[in-house]
Amino acid sequence: GQSLEQPSEVTAVEGAIVQINCTYQTSGFYGLSWYQQHDGGAPTFLSYNALDGLEETGRFSSFLSRSDSYGYLLLQELQMKDSASYFCAVRDPGGFKTIFGAGTRLFVKA
Amino acid sequence: DSGVTQTPKHLITATGQRVTLRCSPRSGDLSVYWYQQSLDQGLQFLIQYYNGEERAKGNILERFSAQQFPDLHSELNLSSLELGDSALYFCASSVDNTGELFFGEGSRLTVL
Repeated sequence: GQSLEQPSEVTAVEGAIVQINCTYQTSGFYGLSWYQQHDGGAPTFLSYNALDGLEETGRFSSFLSRSDSYGYLLLQELQMKDSASYFCAVRDPGGFKTIFGAGTRLFVKA
Repeated sequence: DSGVTQTPKHLITATGQRVTLRCSPRSGDLSVYWYQQSLDQGLQFLIQYYNGEERAKGNILERFSAQQFPDLHSELNLSSLELGDSALYFCASSVDNTGELFFGEGSRLTVL
């Protein structure tokens, strides 16, 4: 089976950089994804890493180390609107299930 | 707008009742996933369909069932409802074998 661990809460200041870590245990691996969810809203896709290394998309970057079963989401130049929950997720080897972590609630302070 | 449509947006019902939640995936997406999100909780995978066939099951209760129809829309049936079934139910769709799921806005179920 799969399990993912991420911190429950992170607080940071507007304009700062924050890193949200995710460690996973899987029977196989097919990529690590990150999703953002604002209160009352739907999760929206942020990034996907299938291979080791850093993927950059604007202010957001995601990193994966398959040997360490570890990844992180890096948010730069934080804005108040980045206050949300962030979920890491893995797909099973068959690609049929996407399992989500419990989520990290990010609070951005002025 | 993700292109995934879920109805109803809100539903209030009583314990013991049965409800049906409906999902229309994005045009061209063959895979449909159902997730349950209880208050301040993560997304619990329930079930996945691909082109009408069940492909994967999570910890879905026996009181819950789902299907995907030939037009690719999907329905999640919840029966003998209990207070603990109150949650947001999300449907997502994907082009298979990619890392991205597109989520609908969810159906908020309240069981009284």
